[in-house]
Amino acid sequence: AQSVTQLDSQVPVFEEAPVELRCNYSSSVSVYLFWYVQYPNQGLQLLLKYLSGSTLVKGINGFEAEFNKSQTSFHLRKPSVHISDTAEYFCAVSFWGSASKIIFGSGTRLSIRP
Amino acid sequence: DVKVTQSSRYLVKRTGEKVFLECVQDMDHENMFWYRQDPGLGLRLIYFSYDVKMKEKGDIPEGYSVSREKKERFSLILESASTNQTSMYLCASSSPGREAGNEQFFGPGTRLTVL
Repeated sequence: AQSVTQLDSQVPVFEEAPVELRCNYSSSVSVYLFWYVQYPNQGLQLLLKYLSGSTLVKGINGFEAEFNKSQTSFHLRKPSVHISDTAEYFCAVSFWGSASKIIFGSGTRLSIRP
Repeated sequence: DVKVTQSSRYLVKRTGEKVFLECVQDMDHENMFWYRQDPGLGLRLIYFSYDVKMKEKGDIPEGYSVSREKKERFSLILESASTNQTSMYLCASSSPGREAGNEQFFGPGTRLTVL
């Protein structure tokens, strides 16, 4: 079965500290991978995506993610977080031949402490 | 820029009312989606449409119906609203094909409260 798992529901970090949000997926076919961010009372905004090519993907706001096919992971990282990064982050996977559907993880709430 | 708009940001309805949530996209996308979002459950797909007048059930279609009469507009209908349908509703659109990887573009959401 195809699925996506975000291992942490909440991640508290101090301002200017590094952060990693974890995402693993399960699939027998090739995948497209996404990270979306949702600020309070807003819709989802694309942070970055992996379609093919380089496994290290850079996105907006200083975030990056690395596709690891052998570990079926797509972890999101930022070397130094800011208060404005407080939001909920969703990992999402689309599978080749999935008729355009995307499966979303359950989300990770990132809270930044001053 | 792709723009997806939803008719209301906040909506309060009473149990048993018929509720319409409207979504419009301006990028000529073939696919449109309705999700509901609840704390700890992420996004759950209610219905999606891959063409005008075409629709397909998602994971939680019970209690909902949809309408897509024009390519740019996708409506979600709650025939008889119930309190367990209180939620955030998100609309999205996408264009099929490997170039985009099925990337979806989201509207701002409608927070529906059913009393």
